[in-house]
Amino acid sequence: QSALTQPPSVSGSPGQSVTISCTGTSSDVGSYNRVSWYQQPPGTAPKLMIYEVSNRPSGVPDRFSGSKSGNTASLTISGLQAEDEADYYCSSYTSSSAWVFGGGTKLTVL
Amino acid sequence: QITLKESGPTLVKPTQTLTLTCTFSGFSLSTSGVGVGWIRQPPGKALEWLALIYWDDDKRYSPSLKSRLTITKDTSKNQVVLTMTNMDPVDTATYYCAHRREYQLRAFDYWGQGTLVTVSS
Repeated sequence: QSALTQPPSVSGSPGQSVTISCTGTSSDVGSYNRVSWYQQPPGTAPKLMIYEVSNRPSGVPDRFSGSKSGNTASLTISGLQAEDEADYYCSSYTSSSAWVFGGGTKLTVL
Repeated sequence: QITLKESGPTLVKPTQTLTLTCTFSGFSLSTSGVGVGWIRQPPGKALEWLALIYWDDDKRYSPSLKSRLTITKDTSKNQVVLTMTNMDPVDTATYYCAHRREYQLRAFDYWGQGTLVTVSS
């Protein structure tokens, strides 16, 4: 099972919007809505930001949104804030009854 | 309040077997839909899912590591144990355990702080 493909890095200025893509295959992202996104500031454990493609857990700001089209899922962060600077990972359920993570994307707030 | 904490050796030698324990509170692993998984992260690298065990003892493993992994649960002790055989320096990583609910959310919604395991002779 190959890792999902994410851009290594993205950046944006405070107040702007950024989108992080997560590309899989028809055996994972394309076939299941069990796509989730995690935020990981340096030296900390991952935190769930989006579940089931587009749902936010309680406490996650509505600046964070998720979507999916075909084999690609996306995380959009609007109104960027300095505190959003972190690594972001997507994850999907797979046809092998397993889970796979993306390679991670480093978000820099300029 | 759900909490999880990983414990185990910080240093193992190549070819040895690693045993990690996840001790949790705030939920029961006998509740329908609940699972506990293990995920690892080599220094400076991406997350990698390893294994998951459900309330009904259904077990899932990473296809690439399946031959080396065993996951078990002790519901009475609120613990999940992961063993990984034939450890190699490339297995050096922070190992996390995480809570999951399959009938709600369907994601890893609570994570432990992680434990760093170094494989070296």
